[in-house]
Amino acid sequence: GAGVSQSPRYKVAKRGQDVALRCDPISGHVSLFWYQQALGQGPEFLTYFQNEAQLDKSGLPSDRFFAERPEGSVSTLKIQRTQQEDSAVYLCASTREVTHEQYFGPGTRLTVT
Amino acid sequence: DAKTTQPPSMDCAEGRAANLPCNHSTISGNEYVYWYRQIHSQGPQYIIHGLKNNETNEMASLIITEDRKSSTLILPHATLRDTAVYYCIVRREQGAQKLVFGQGTRLTINP
Repeated sequence: GAGVSQSPRYKVAKRGQDVALRCDPISGHVSLFWYQQALGQGPEFLTYFQNEAQLDKSGLPSDRFFAERPEGSVSTLKIQRTQQEDSAVYLCASTREVTHEQYFGPGTRLTVT
Repeated sequence: DAKTTQPPSMDCAEGRAANLPCNHSTISGNEYVYWYRQIHSQGPQYIIHGLKNNETNEMASLIITEDRKSSTLILPHATLRDTAVYYCIVRREQGAQKLVFGQGTRLTINP
């Protein structure tokens, strides 16, 4: 079946621009996670949804970062007024509620110039 | 969640077993050991997990010491496609919980 998909795969933004990154989880997966991965580092947790409810946003680095999942399926991560330090790969993962395994998408590579 | 320690890099010859160590000396009794890997330009991929007993699946084997303070991921017959960064993660509960990644081990399989 289809895995987790993310779009766009690559995004170049000028400093100060707003960006929106999309995640399509596996159909029926209740939980959805966003992670940020800087170059040469492991992924770092940003936020977590269970259905449409955002249950944990403790990893969002600033109030410029906003995530939503209004209908409990597709999710969008929005970054306002992008800064150079926002350059990273943004990974989305989904999971059935009671499984151990998180399924990751290929990520969106954001470059802020 | 408990912190893990892994060597930053390892090499292994193609066709040989790759043994990747992980220390998790502060692991609690209800924490699981998970392994994920990340091939270049892809998202992480789940490999295997365990609590106390050794585990095996089609991808790998996981050996956990009796005191649970360390574990070893074994890829029995490594191929070039196994070249990746391997992450050992300790997590408190089953179910939908965030993963806390460290630096991982960069495994290179050589022809």
